[in-house]
Amino acid sequence: SYVLTQPPSVSVAPGQTARITCGGNNLERKTVHWYLQKPGQAPVLVVYDDSDRPSGIPERFSGSNSGNTATLTISRVEAGDEADYYCQVWDNSGDHPEYVFGPGTKVTVL
Amino acid sequence: EVQLVESGGGLVQPGGSLRLSCAASEFTFNTYAMSWVRLSPGKGLEWISAISGSGGTTFYADSVKGRFTISRDNSENTLFLQMNSLRVEDTAIYYCARGLQWNYFDHWGQGIQLTVSS
Repeated sequence: SYVLTQPPSVSVAPGQTARITCGGNNLERKTVHWYLQKPGQAPVLVVYDDSDRPSGIPERFSGSNSGNTATLTISRVEAGDEADYYCQVWDNSGDHPEYVFGPGTKVTVL
Repeated sequence: EVQLVESGGGLVQPGGSLRLSCAASEFTFNTYAMSWVRLSPGKGLEWISAISGSGGTTFYADSVKGRFTISRDNSENTLFLQMNSLRVEDTAIYYCARGLQWNYFDHWGQGIQLTVSS
């Protein structure tokens, strides 16, 4: 089955830029989606189809996907952005389709 | 506003069974694929099962195949997950999620706790 990789943690100072990577074999051939999850809350979609934002998500959140790596970029980081972030793809290349999540990245705002 | 409300969680012994429900509202339920996703202690999100809008197509993760069964009642706008042969490692918060185009999840329920322990 398809495997996604993410760094376990990213630390960033307020006002700076956080970049969270998601790795996978030929990942650019898939569309990547990103969720944030705060403790005790449900996941929230923040970027879909590599780089689109759902309504209500600030422009500070952006995404890209090239080669084997997708990146979620959070500009002008705020304390409220502290959360776990997951990338996700739909993999229908194997013998049975499945949704695949990355292991998650904990973003800490210093 | 789309609403997804899970119920049916609790404490169950290893080897036991339980059925989760997810009541959906404020959207045309039978036109959307739905999934169950879980968050285990100290682990990340894990997709476990999906079902098409009509209910005619289902998919499962290897970790639950043969033990869990997903279903839906479109007349009642409700999604189900029948869980049999439960294991300690099935302990998690279970979320139902609305799927878009067999691609991503745009709405999630608040989650329901399942604890498997003797």
